[in-house]
Amino acid sequence: DAGITQSPRYKITETGRQVTLMCHQTWSHSYMFWYRQDLGHGLRLIYYSAAADITDKGEVPDGYVVSRSKTENFPLTLESATRSQTSVYFCASTDLWETEAFFGQGTRLTVV
Amino acid sequence: GEDVEQSLFLSVREGDSSVINCTYTDSSSTYLYWYKQEPGAGLQLLTYIFSNMDMKQDQRLTVLLNKKDKHLSLRIADTQTGDSAIYFCAESSRGGGNKLTFGTGTQLKVEL
Repeated sequence: DAGITQSPRYKITETGRQVTLMCHQTWSHSYMFWYRQDLGHGLRLIYYSAAADITDKGEVPDGYVVSRSKTENFPLTLESATRSQTSVYFCASTDLWETEAFFGQGTRLTVV
Repeated sequence: GEDVEQSLFLSVREGDSSVINCTYTDSSSTYLYWYKQEPGAGLQLLTYIFSNMDMKQDQRLTVLLNKKDKHLSLRIADTQTGDSAIYFCAESSRGGGNKLTFGTGTQLKVEL
């Protein structure tokens, strides 16, 4: 099915563990983004990517690592999870005309 | 940096009009958006307006933009219980693939 999918939908991990959130889009969109959603903050940009092998920091990048070896995938890794990274994470993509961003369903991550 | 603000909560009766307000600070904003988020779901684009427009109407939705005051509003006519959700305004500047800066979100509750 065409679209943007995130996995897993729910994840519980322990402090200090590494965890990777996956994002896959089938449109061959150039740009992909990771946001986190927290109460009182709306959504904040963590990292984004303009194309394969091109990534850049957003507003809140600390503690996160991204890669983009293929256009369709944009995984987000928490190298050593902290409780402050408990959040809902959304992946998004846009086409070259940049008019509309398409969002995945989100991953709810809890760090205990 | 850019800042986008919204009131946190709005309650209306079914059949009434809802007006959700948003203020932003970035004068270089190119597009302004309204997204809807239902419980447990991702973000759905409702409508957007280009910064050189004052108004856009799309069925029950009317967007008003006051660029001088950096104020954006979303009016939902004949509000229904299915409109209950969180509504986010967001702004982006041209280039950068549509990086979005979101407001904190307004929880709309529609009562019978």
